[in-house]
Amino acid sequence: DTAVSQTPKYLVTQMGNDKSIKCEQNLGHDTMYWYKQDSKKFLKIMFSYNNKELIINETVPNRFSPKSPDKAHLNLHINSLELGDSAVYFCASSHRSPGELFFGEGSRLTVL
Amino acid sequence: GIQVEQSPPDLILQEGANSTLRCNFSDSVNNLQWFHQNPWGQLINLFYIPSGTKQNGRLSATTVATERYSLLYISSSQTTDSGVYFCAVGDNDMRFGAGTRLTVKP
Repeated sequence: DTAVSQTPKYLVTQMGNDKSIKCEQNLGHDTMYWYKQDSKKFLKIMFSYNNKELIINETVPNRFSPKSPDKAHLNLHINSLELGDSAVYFCASSHRSPGELFFGEGSRLTVL
Repeated sequence: GIQVEQSPPDLILQEGANSTLRCNFSDSVNNLQWFHQNPWGQLINLFYIPSGTKQNGRLSATTVATERYSLLYISSSQTTDSGVYFCAVGDNDMRFGAGTRLTVKP
């Protein structure tokens, strides 16, 4: 019974394609996040949503668009994928913003 | 924005040894958390510790918020402790340090 689940776990695609990563949490948390981990393991926040409203939008290309249909889901859609988008994308949630983070298992995106 | 520095960047230990990992941050914060990223990439919560001291088995953590640092202690290290240890701090959002890569050799 995974608390924060992401799909897919692995995604290999060509440059220029559009792809989505889905995230769901069953912890009853109000806030959800997307983090990007690059090849050097550095973790950087991308977006934060609180009760379906965007509260943090870091300097991320507008090819990245988060969507939160309800407070238990936060999906990440990426348009026109580039080689530099290859990374592991982690979804997380917390009871409040900010607060103790609980992470999903990550989605490894490889752009060829 | 807030700066988070972790030290050492790399640490190699023999099984059974003890270690201390440090996290310094540039501003007062209300949230601080330690994570272990295992070799399979999972980010595992260790401690949520904005201040004070907590212990969980062989691991303990201390945060001195007024002096803007936190310490993670690992005692009697095991090979399964290998991985990268991150601290994350913040108020409006949680910012991560670059991590300490720990290798425990049998």
